Amino acid sequence: GENVEQHPSTLSVQEGDSAVIKCTYSDSASNYFPWYKQELGKGPQLIIDIRSNVGEKKDQRIAVTLNKTAKHFSLHITETQPEDSAVYFCAASPQGAQKLVFGQGTRLTINP
Amino acid sequence: DAMVIQNPRYQVTQFGKPVTLSCSQTLNHNVMYWYQQKSSQAPKLLFHYYDKDFNNEADTPDNFQSRRPNTSFCFLDIRSPGLGDAAMYLCATLVPGSYEQYFGPGTRLTVT
Repeated sequence: GENVEQHPSTLSVQEGDSAVIKCTYSDSASNYFPWYKQELGKGPQLIIDIRSNVGEKKDQRIAVTLNKTAKHFSLHITETQPEDSAVYFCAASPQGAQKLVFGQGTRLTINP
Repeated sequence: DAMVIQNPRYQVTQFGKPVTLSCSQTLNHNVMYWYQQKSSQAPKLLFHYYDKDFNNEADTPDNFQSRRPNTSFCFLDIRSPGLGDAAMYLCATLVPGSYEQYFGPGTRLTVT
């Protein structure tokens, strides 16, 4: 089955700098890759996603890139702000499975 | 307005005492999921429903059961909670025509 690895497990950046979180997946048939933000005591919230037929997607300060050949995808946050501090999870959805397999999560801390 | 509602938000139960967690949705989505999330870990899928069609994950313990009496409601029953079942339990729905899963706020279960 699908396996998703996420790095780093913790990331600390200065406010205004960029943050990058990387994930790799094992199942080449996976075709949907979302990123979720989870704040303390809350459920995960979708922040951006990408399908396998697209290489890059951007939404304001957030972007996701996908390399299908290498089977990895990355989240890029620019001009970070204190409210970006949270745990971020990547996930992959095997084709037709209606399921998500999550990475282990990255705790992002933005230092003022 | 909250669209996936989980009650209660915090639940304390005794070791071995059955407990039920509930989830309701105002979205009329066909697919509903239950995840278990332990501290500092990724959400782990327990089971999901496509309408009334129940799909159990292979590694979900028999101690966990679920009911979906109608489209709006889904329940998670833990027959004999152990200390290892203390976790956040997340309910989610699948946005029709997409792969996007929409999460509720979760119920934090404590077992004493």
